[in-house]
Amino acid sequence: AQSVTQLGSHVSVSEGALVLLRCNYSSSVPPYLFWYVQYPNQGLQLLLKYTSAATLVKGINGFEAEFKKSETSFHLTKPSAHMSDAAEYFCAVMQAAGNKLTFGGGTRVLVKP
Amino acid sequence: DGGITQSPKYLFRKEGQNVTLSCEQNLNHDAMYWYRQDPGQGLRLIYYSQIVNDFQKGDIAEGYSVSREKKESFPLTVTSAQKNPTAFYLCASKITGTRAYNEQFFGPGTRLTVL
Repeated sequence: AQSVTQLGSHVSVSEGALVLLRCNYSSSVPPYLFWYVQYPNQGLQLLLKYTSAATLVKGINGFEAEFKKSETSFHLTKPSAHMSDAAEYFCAVMQAAGNKLTFGGGTRVLVKP
Repeated sequence: DGGITQSPKYLFRKEGQNVTLSCEQNLNHDAMYWYRQDPGQGLRLIYYSQIVNDFQKGDIAEGYSVSREKKESFPLTVTSAQKNPTAFYLCASKITGTRAYNEQFFGPGTRLTVL
């Protein structure tokens, strides 16, 4: 069975500082990996995805993530936080052969002015 | 515009009543999903369907039921057997087949409160 662990349920960053959200997965086969963002009382919006092409993936809103197979990680970063980045972020994994997503518990980001 | 609609946005029901949440998509996706979201617990899969007239239980199906009579629609019924139905419910859809690596698209959600 696959699982996803997001370290830190809450992260606080200053505006302009680096945003780093950690995601580790366990999977018996090479997975597809996704990061989603959720604003309050809304659905999830895809930030970026890894589908076995380039290991460094660029997404929307200046976010990027790097797939590291040896570390089973897919951490999300943004060089400079903006107030509009305040939201909850979810990492998810899908096995190549399947259509189901397994989500991490989410990380809520607070951006301080 | 293509997308997923969920209605209503907010729903209040008395304890013991069944309630049906609507999910419609015009993306021509084969697969559809229902998730439940509780604070601090991420998203948990309730039911999913990969083709019309077929669906499978997810991780927390007890107390819920679904139907998939049309490709565009995947309604979720929260029954009185669900012990703690108050939550935020999200519907999603996805392409299957050769583009299985594509992401799931999510609707705006329905917040159900049982009084």
